[in-house]
Amino acid sequence: KQEVTQIPAALSVPEGENLVLNCSFTDSAIYNLQWFRQDPGKGLTSLLLIQSSQREQTSGRLNASLDKSSGRSTLYIAASQPGDSATYLCAVKDGGFKTIFGAGTRLFVKA
Amino acid sequence: DVKVTQSSRYLVKRTGEKVFLECVQDMDHENMFWYRQDPGLGLRLIYFSYDVKMKEKGDIPEGYSVSREKKERFSLILESASTNQTSMYLCASSQTRDRGRETQYFGPGTRLLVL
Repeated sequence: KQEVTQIPAALSVPEGENLVLNCSFTDSAIYNLQWFRQDPGKGLTSLLLIQSSQREQTSGRLNASLDKSSGRSTLYIAASQPGDSATYLCAVKDGGFKTIFGAGTRLFVKA
Repeated sequence: DVKVTQSSRYLVKRTGEKVFLECVQDMDHENMFWYRQDPGLGLRLIYFSYDVKMKEKGDIPEGYSVSREKKERFSLILESASTNQTSMYLCASSQTRDRGRETQYFGPGTRLLVL
């Protein structure tokens, strides 16, 4: 059974710092891996999607990498801003209809 | 842009009441999902549907049922609400054209409190 783990559960950094969020998964048979952002009390918004054949994706200050063989992904946020404060969730799409989510990393960027 | 809407943002119900949560998507997606989200547990799949009138149990279907009579609408029903069903409920939709690119689009969520 696929399991997705995110470390750390919470992170507080000063504005301007570069940071890395980690995600690990137990079964490498995935179609894709996604990083989502969730603001308090809101739904999820997709940030980056990496297909299983890809190694990384970039969007602005965000870069996500995927290493299927080791079951790991990282989300790199450059020059963090207070507006980046949110919960970041990692999710993998397995062989069926399901997407399996991690519990998230709660990020707080201090001004 | 895909839009997924949920009928209520906040809902307060009493134990034993029948509760209906409605979700509508406007992009003709085949797949629709209901999740609940609790602190520290992440998103857990309750039910999903890959076509009209089709439904599949997710990981935690007990105490819930669903209905999908039209492609754009997916309803979650709590037959007899209990306090342990107090949670954030999230609806999502997706289209399966290419599994590698498939992404789910989420609604804003319904925060349900059962007293």
